[in-house]
Amino acid sequence: QVQLVQSGAEVKKPGASVKVSCKTSGYTFTGHYMHWVRQAPGQGLEWVAWIDPSTGGSNSAPKFKGRVTMSRDTSITTAYLDLSSLTSDDTAVYYCARLNSTRSYRTYDYWGQGTLVIVSS
Amino acid sequence: QPLLTQPPSASGTPGQRITISCSGGTSNIGRNTVNWFQQLPGAAPKLLIYKNNEWPSGVPDRFSGSKSGTSASLAISGLQSEDEADYYCAAWDDHLNGLMFGGGTQVTVL
Repeated sequence: QVQLVQSGAEVKKPGASVKVSCKTSGYTFTGHYMHWVRQAPGQGLEWVAWIDPSTGGSNSAPKFKGRVTMSRDTSITTAYLDLSSLTSDDTAVYYCARLNSTRSYRTYDYWGQGTLVIVSS
Repeated sequence: QPLLTQPPSASGTPGQRITISCSGGTSNIGRNTVNWFQQLPGAAPKLLIYKNNEWPSGVPDRFSGSKSGTSASLAISGLQSEDEADYYCAAWDDHLNGLMFGGGTQVTVL
């Protein structure tokens, strides 16, 4: 069965960087884009970025450009989100989500359990 | 970051039917299909509806989706206490080149 298992919670100081991992199993890793979505405390869902595990190509939301780096290791079917220059506004739960897409639709059919990132001095 | 527009809350009594609206624009709902996600307290979001009105395996048909133009809606029939959750609409946005979410609707069963 498809599983996305994320790394554990992180506490970081302002200005630092954080790297969150998403270990996948149960499907062909390079066959589906991986997206990252975050949720600040008490707030809604916000799309952050995606990576194509096959090519390494990626894209991020405008507000994260220059601060976010997506990477993957196909040998261990794991995707990574690296966010730098952290501020308290980056405190959130970060989810990885598998994109299932065809010509007629795009959806997230599987989600990781989430990784809490706390930015505090 | 722009959002699709949802009402912040909705409520109903057990057995009732409620609907949640989702409004967007031509670059998202107007040109792409709509998804709905359910998020129970403390849990990751779960796919409820995709391709406007289709159910993933295991989702009861009490949940139904529809889309017209740049708007969509989710209906919950036979409301049950376990339906208390946050519900998010989402659609691919061609300008963003990513998935755009609604602000979420908190459903309360009275």
